[in-house]
Amino acid sequence: QKEVEQNSGPLSVPEGAIASLNCTYSDRGSQSFFWYRQYSGKSPELIMFIYSNGDKEDGRFTAQLNKASQYVSLLIRDSQPSDSATYLCAGFLGTSYGKLTFGQGTILTVHP
Amino acid sequence: EPEVTQTPSHQVTQMGQEVILRCVPISNHLYFYWYRQILGQKVEFLVSFYNNEISEKSEIFDDQFSVERPDGSNFTLKIRSTKLEDSAMYFCASSSPFDNNEQFFGPGTRLTVL
Repeated sequence: QKEVEQNSGPLSVPEGAIASLNCTYSDRGSQSFFWYRQYSGKSPELIMFIYSNGDKEDGRFTAQLNKASQYVSLLIRDSQPSDSATYLCAGFLGTSYGKLTFGQGTILTVHP
Repeated sequence: EPEVTQTPSHQVTQMGQEVILRCVPISNHLYFYWYRQILGQKVEFLVSFYNNEISEKSEIFDDQFSVERPDGSNFTLKIRSTKLEDSAMYFCASSSPFDNNEQFFGPGTRLTVL
């Protein structure tokens, strides 16, 4: 069973701090990974994707992928109260190129 | 900015009844998906659809489920005989193979089976 695992949290950080969210996956052959944000009662909103080893930056967000360790992370710099949400890690596991496998999500709370 | 739309936002039905959930994907996207999320649980893949055919489906997507693209814009999910355990949020998503297959989700339909 191909899986994506996340620490469900909650993770609490003060406003302005760096929030670090982590995710591991079970299938070494997996290719692409996505971070989504989901506010309560809403649909997942795509933040960014990553498919190469290393870092990818987009504004306040940095995604990191380490295929040898089967590890994906998301850093949020200068966290704002509006960043408080559930962050979902998802990937195309194995040879799939359409089916997204999601983790259970990490609840992030940014307090003023 | 183009977005995926879904109707209705909330559907209440009796067990055993048929429901059809509707989606309008982003217009230049070629791949379409349905996911569901039971309250408090993970988002789960149901089915992917490309070129008027199912590309992949999960174990959840049994004979009670079907998908259709009846015209050039709509994409539907039909549940023939709803069960209590079908109560969930159902999300439609779409993607383009030219944009790393990034999937954009619609706002969802909350299905309540009584």
